[in-house]
Amino acid sequence: DADVTQTPRNRITKTGKRIMLECSQTKGHDRMYWYRQDPGLGLRLIYYSFDVKDINKGEISDGYSVSRQAQAKFSLSLESAIPNQTALYFCATATSDRSSYNEQFFGPGTRLTVL
Amino acid sequence: AQKVTQAQTEISVVEKEDVTLDCVYETRDTTYYLFWYKQPPSGELVFLIRRNSFDEQNEISGRYSWNFQKSTSSFNFTITASQVVDSAVYFCALSDSYSGAGSYQLTFGKGTKLSVIP
Repeated sequence: DADVTQTPRNRITKTGKRIMLECSQTKGHDRMYWYRQDPGLGLRLIYYSFDVKDINKGEISDGYSVSRQAQAKFSLSLESAIPNQTALYFCATATSDRSSYNEQFFGPGTRLTVL
Repeated sequence: AQKVTQAQTEISVVEKEDVTLDCVYETRDTTYYLFWYKQPPSGELVFLIRRNSFDEQNEISGRYSWNFQKSTSSFNFTITASQVVDSAVYFCALSDSYSGAGSYQLTFGKGTKLSVIP
């Protein structure tokens, strides 16, 4: 089984709808991240969390919210989806262990289309 | 601020040619980590290599090799004898203690799309 899973893998929705993207991990990592990928722009950080009680905004958090329900689960919500939120979304996990090289482990991605 | 530049937006090569993907980074930290990821058309991110700032040894893994030069802040990736299966978008990324004000986020370049023509 994959260590980092994302659901759904693909979603098409309409403008104004509320959408939740879910991420689960079995790696036992404390850090979790949500990134967004747009064509030609690489990946950009939306939110990150270092533990259940710690939530932080990334560089492009406007229009998004997150919830860290447990160490293993980190959900991203679009309260009122708009077309320019159409993108590929990645969840990633990492350990705070200093020997980890800050390496992050990525889920398979969720392709979201907002019509 | 951290920055990763992949100046080559798209590259096309004929199968069996060698190709080098460039990556130049900026950081004010002395301890940092560099990564390369491959993104095939299916969309997932495939980890290729990680390197810390204290290890300047070049690395070879099969047809892949990486040249890390701190003096020029570059971490270039070479594919020898390219194959059609190498067609993908390749991302270089940087992480350091200042990334995103302590987030340890990965700062990605915009990627290089490699097309290997049979």
